[in-house]
Amino acid sequence: DQQVKQNSPSLSVQEGRISILNCDYTNSMFDYFLWYKKYPAEGPTFLISISSIKDKNEDGRFTVFLNKSAKHLSLHIVPSQPGDSAVYFCAASAEETTDSWGKLQFGAGTQVVVTP
Amino acid sequence: GAGVSQSPRYKVAKRGQDVALRCDPISGHVSLFWYQQALGQGPEFLTYFQNEAQLDKSGLPSDRFFAERPEGSVSTLKIQRTQQEDSAVYLCASSLGTILDYEQYFGPGTRLTVT
Repeated sequence: DQQVKQNSPSLSVQEGRISILNCDYTNSMFDYFLWYKKYPAEGPTFLISISSIKDKNEDGRFTVFLNKSAKHLSLHIVPSQPGDSAVYFCAASAEETTDSWGKLQFGAGTQVVVTP
Repeated sequence: GAGVSQSPRYKVAKRGQDVALRCDPISGHVSLFWYQQALGQGPEFLTYFQNEAQLDKSGLPSDRFFAERPEGSVSTLKIQRTQQEDSAVYLCASSLGTILDYEQYFGPGTRLTVT
């Protein structure tokens, strides 16, 4: 039962343009959301996060938007750079799950390719 | 090093063999997680430790999988009688475990191939 879904397996974008990655979730208990970036042969690295009490969080070129009513979040990368080419994972956590506080559920990932 | 380290980076096992995968978390990190990542998929939760206590092992796929963290730092994931479906990348992550810190720091993973 996939509770976090990234329906676009790949995205190609031109350098300098905006990359928009989407993520949907089904579990209403999720209250914290993260984006991770992964290069080949490396572990995922944290990119940006958002709490369910907010609808937007911005960090430099990266902005995450959360629409709780739609159970949808998106990651915007502006402007896109060749070094942004990687797999991006959306992840979610339920704070109230006290036995596994911080346990993450991941989407399947979106491969982003930024072309010069 | 300051990051999470895992060893070995690659492991090839014949079906039926036992394997042990090691994780060295960031010093001082209370929480430790193991994830399994199949090809083309996102990481899937296996088990969680808070210090030496294993608080959640609901993601372990079978009783062939066993994890321990006896002194609250290094952790070992053991897979007995490996099967081909165990082939995956096994990721370890650690975090401070404080209420304001959800960020998990991942190691590079161990790629297990069962032949």
